[in-house]
Amino acid sequence: DVKVTQSSRYLVKRTGEKVFLECVQDMDHENMFWYRQDPGLGLRLIYFSYDVKMKEKGDIPEGYSVSREKKERFSLILESASTNQTSMYLCASSSGQSTYEQYFGPGTRLTVT
Amino acid sequence: DQQVKQNSPSLSVQEGRISILNCDYTNSMFDYFLWYKKYPAEGPTFLISISSIKDKNEDGRFTVFLNKSAKHLSLHIVPSQPGDSAVYFCAAADTGTASKLTFGTGTRLQVTL
Repeated sequence: DVKVTQSSRYLVKRTGEKVFLECVQDMDHENMFWYRQDPGLGLRLIYFSYDVKMKEKGDIPEGYSVSREKKERFSLILESASTNQTSMYLCASSSGQSTYEQYFGPGTRLTVT
Repeated sequence: DQQVKQNSPSLSVQEGRISILNCDYTNSMFDYFLWYKKYPAEGPTFLISISSIKDKNEDGRFTVFLNKSAKHLSLHIVPSQPGDSAVYFCAAADTGTASKLTFGTGTRLQVTL
């Protein structure tokens, strides 16, 4: 079974803090993704990565950065957290040869106060 | 610009009846479609997919129909069960460009006894 884990289930941070969200997958998948889920907006892609040290902007990259130093790990960084970044953050991975099926982690509920 | 739309935010169906969830897309380059199911406090899980070379794909109680000319797909669940109560997301991919998915806004299905 593919397993995608995220470092925290719940996180509360203050405005202006630097926030790190970590994601680890154990299936040797090439592709990794970060989404945020907000009511009425569905899942929106923030960043994705096809390989180690490679990254591509998704639909809403502003205010975020990412790091992929190892194949199994993909980090999302909020350089200076703001209240409009309060959201559910979901990490996913997929094989480069798969039928586009992505496997998701359980999510991190981030609250910025 | 919402390229994948789920116009019904919620749906209530009696146990044993058919649930029909709808999804429309605008990007004619999309050629692969997936449905995901999401329970509260969990990540989405893959349900079923369909390639644009087909118009129907079936897996147990779940059937996905694709109407390319109308840019419309639907998910049928027969018979509906209480455990099917969740949020359902449709997603689309342009397999010619990238491994990323574009998600709809989701439909909350409630199956009542």
